Amino acid sequence: AQTVTQSQPEMSVQEAETVTLSCTYDTSENNYYLFWYKQPPSRQMILVIRQEAYKQQNATENRFSVNFQKAAKSFSLKISDSQLGDTAMYFCAFMSLNNAGNMLTFGGGTRLMVKP
Amino acid sequence: GAVVSQHPSRVICKSGTSVKIECRSLDFQATTMFWYRQFPKQSLMLMATSNEGSKATYEQGVEKDKFLINHASLTLSTLTVTSAHPEDSSFYICSASPGPAGQYFGPGTRLTVT
Repeated sequence: AQTVTQSQPEMSVQEAETVTLSCTYDTSENNYYLFWYKQPPSRQMILVIRQEAYKQQNATENRFSVNFQKAAKSFSLKISDSQLGDTAMYFCAFMSLNNAGNMLTFGGGTRLMVKP
Repeated sequence: GAVVSQHPSRVICKSGTSVKIECRSLDFQATTMFWYRQFPKQSLMLMATSNEGSKATYEQGVEKDKFLINHASLTLSTLTVTSAHPEDSSFYICSASPGPAGQYFGPGTRLTVT
């Protein structure tokens, strides 16, 4: 079974600054996807970024980028030029490609507060 | 693209009654849909996996006779909370998966049982 750990329950950052959210995972598999989801106060889960494990290049989506370290089983999210709208819960998630059901294993979440 | 709707967004029901929540993938077909429950300030807890045309797979500790799941088509899954009690009050979220690209989530349903 896979586990996903987010060691930072809460974080804060000043507007326009950069913040990095940590995520580690444990798996014996080699083929998988990793995701970061954002859940703002509206509670709508939003896919932020996705990384395929077979790709060495780190995924980027505008101000969001990841640092994927496969050997270390680490998948951190960097948010650049933080905006007030980035205030949300952030969940790291794992999906095995060996699991035909596309099931996600979530971390416990990190609550990010962007301060003006 | 990849929009999932969920209805109703909020529902209040009396103890002992049943409530149905609908989850629809609007612009893609989903062979698999998922139902989660989320307690305040906690992560999502998977309740069950729903596959079109077959019985749902429930996670350990989830009562399948209480939380009835039907996945009648590639775009619709329903969760019925039967004989609801106050302890069933929670935030329920569905998601749909078009493949290994991930899951796309509905906006959630806040259920309050009085």
